[in-house]
Amino acid sequence: DAGVIQSPRHEVTEMGQEVTLRCKPISGHDYLFWYRQTMMRGLELLIYFNNNVPIDDSGMPEDRFSAKMPNASFSTLKIQPSEPRDSAVYFCATSPRTEIYGYTFGSGTRLTVV
Amino acid sequence: TQLLEQSPQFLSIQEGENLTVYCNSSSVFSSLQWYRQEPGEGPVLLVTVVTGGEVKKLKRLTFQFGDARKDSSLHITAAQPGDTGLYLCAGARAGGTSYGKLTFGQGTILTVHP
Repeated sequence: DAGVIQSPRHEVTEMGQEVTLRCKPISGHDYLFWYRQTMMRGLELLIYFNNNVPIDDSGMPEDRFSAKMPNASFSTLKIQPSEPRDSAVYFCATSPRTEIYGYTFGSGTRLTVV
Repeated sequence: TQLLEQSPQFLSIQEGENLTVYCNSSSVFSSLQWYRQEPGEGPVLLVTVVTGGEVKKLKRLTFQFGDARKDSSLHITAAQPGDTGLYLCAGARAGGTSYGKLTFGQGTILTVHP
């Protein structure tokens, strides 16, 4: 199993540009989570899906952020327009059923907005 | 307000020493997990505890879940440089609408010097 695959690993973009982060979950995992990690705020849950349906997006900072899961094997997190304060490491994580089974995290995308 | 408080935030010790990391909350959790994260990678699940008072051992690591399921500890015996990393606790709230998602503590950065 290749695990959770995220792309790109690193992204440097200019303020105002659109950024799209991608995630391929582990096959058979029903839950998919998008987290953001910074030194100041730690790991913050942005949004999560169950069987491709968004369940809780209360952590999405503002309307500039959007996430989709068009099928069981792909999810995107989009920021438009990007701002310097969006600079962080963004993680995708998946779980086979509920939280008790633990999350498998991808290697993350390090986003830098200049 | 941080739901899960970890202490200490930083720990720098010599190889061979013992250490304990604490994870505390005023909330009850249905389960609690510990993860370890290395630079440039996503967190990796170490253990899940679900029963109040439960103790689990993983080689030199001992995990305990508090009787009231509000706190947990991670004890490492005879630490080695390979134990260096960020240790995160994460809890799943009992009941409510938070089913399926974890809340993470701020983490403890452990450095073990040879």
